[in-house]
Amino acid sequence: DVKVTQSSRYLVKRTGEKVFLECVQDMDHENMFWYRQDPGLGLRLIYFSYDVKMKEKGDIPEGYSVSREKKERFSLILESASTNQTSMYLCASSPGWGSYGYTFGSGTRLTVV
Amino acid sequence: AQKITQTQPGMFVQEKEAVTLDCTYDTSDPSYGLFWYKQPSSGEMIFLIYQGSYDQQNATEGRYSLNFQKARKSANLVISASQLGDSAMYFCAMRTNFGNEKLTFGTGTRLTIIP
Repeated sequence: DVKVTQSSRYLVKRTGEKVFLECVQDMDHENMFWYRQDPGLGLRLIYFSYDVKMKEKGDIPEGYSVSREKKERFSLILESASTNQTSMYLCASSPGWGSYGYTFGSGTRLTVV
Repeated sequence: AQKITQTQPGMFVQEKEAVTLDCTYDTSDPSYGLFWYKQPSSGEMIFLIYQGSYDQQNATEGRYSLNFQKARKSANLVISASQLGDSAMYFCAMRTNFGNEKLTFGTGTRLTIIP
């Protein structure tokens, strides 16, 4: 069964900490995405990547960075966590152009205190 | 820019009734795809159905069908014979060629099925 695995289901961090959210897919997918989900706002794209070492800003990249050193792994980094980054973070992957086979991870609920 | 609008924040429906969840979209790209996802309380995003902009027929998948009205830019999800397990958040999403494979989501509709 194809899978996108997010390393933590729940995470509590302190304001100012550097936070790493990890996402691994086992489907050899080209594209990977990080979304943030907030009530009433739906899912908003933070960053995405088409290939190793490639990254593109999404709609809300401020306060975040990403890393994709290997095809299967896409990391989201909060350089200095703030309380307004408390949210559900969802990772997704897709095979490539024109496919509708997006697969999502189960999410990481991050609380910044 | 791409935009998805879901105007129903919440809906309550009697079990076994049909449900229509509304979705309108806006894009200038002639080639696009429309998606519906279900998110139960456990949090995972479950793909339900896909409609391509050039598809001649409305998509169907079991109890799910997509009422695609291209001229009105609407892509409503219809669930026939609703079940208690259909209670969840439902998201409409769009991908366009201009958007480079990323999905743009609506704000979602929380569907509650009443026994």
